[in-house]
Amino acid sequence: QKEVEQDPGPLSVPEGAIVSLNCTYSNSAFQYFMWYRQYSRKGPELLMYTYSSGNKEDGRFTAQVDKSSKYISLFIRDSQPSDSATYLCAMSDSPHTGNQFYFGTGTSLTVIP
Amino acid sequence: SAVISQKPSRDICQRGTSLTIQCQVDSQVTMMFWYRQQPGQSLTLIATANQGSEATYESGFVIDKFPISRPNLTFSTLTVSNMSPEDSSIYLCSVGPPVRYEQYFGPGTRLTVT
Repeated sequence: QKEVEQDPGPLSVPEGAIVSLNCTYSNSAFQYFMWYRQYSRKGPELLMYTYSSGNKEDGRFTAQVDKSSKYISLFIRDSQPSDSATYLCAMSDSPHTGNQFYFGTGTSLTVIP
Repeated sequence: SAVISQKPSRDICQRGTSLTIQCQVDSQVTMMFWYRQQPGQSLTLIATANQGSEATYESGFVIDKFPISRPNLTFSTLTVSNMSPEDSSIYLCSVGPPVRYEQYFGPGTRLTVT
């Protein structure tokens, strides 16, 4: 079983839609959860991170963690064509250098104008 | 944040040859990381490169296949040796402060082995 599972999509939505991206994981020791956005032919860039359970909001983006279900989500409100990218979840049991981060395979999102 | 550049951006190589990928950072960083990103697969850490010491390799990756140099605090190279088509992938370097969720990635090197 993979440490992190993520639906690869592709996901295609109309502009203005609410997008829900999800990952599940198996290691209950994970406490640090990140979402990266990767545009075509670019490296991943950190979008959001959360620690432990709960929600975190940043503009149109909301990250949600449910540790009891081992399930994390990223919601994008009022989606824009510029949100078209691949979204990677990542998680770790520690944020400190030297500890392994586990990435999902990424979900490809296209927002249609 | 750090600005990271990689060279080459892409290459097509023949089986059995080697390619060295360069990673340059615009500021001094203690640790640099090399990842592989294969289609449909997770971003996979190859090794951690510390300046002045041997790189630390993850399970499944060995120094003979992926030798790494880290001559100073702003530069590192990853060599993919004796390449086979299975090595076709995007190779990314990244850097980060001690709290790694803030790691920054380079644009990647897209390698195709024929």
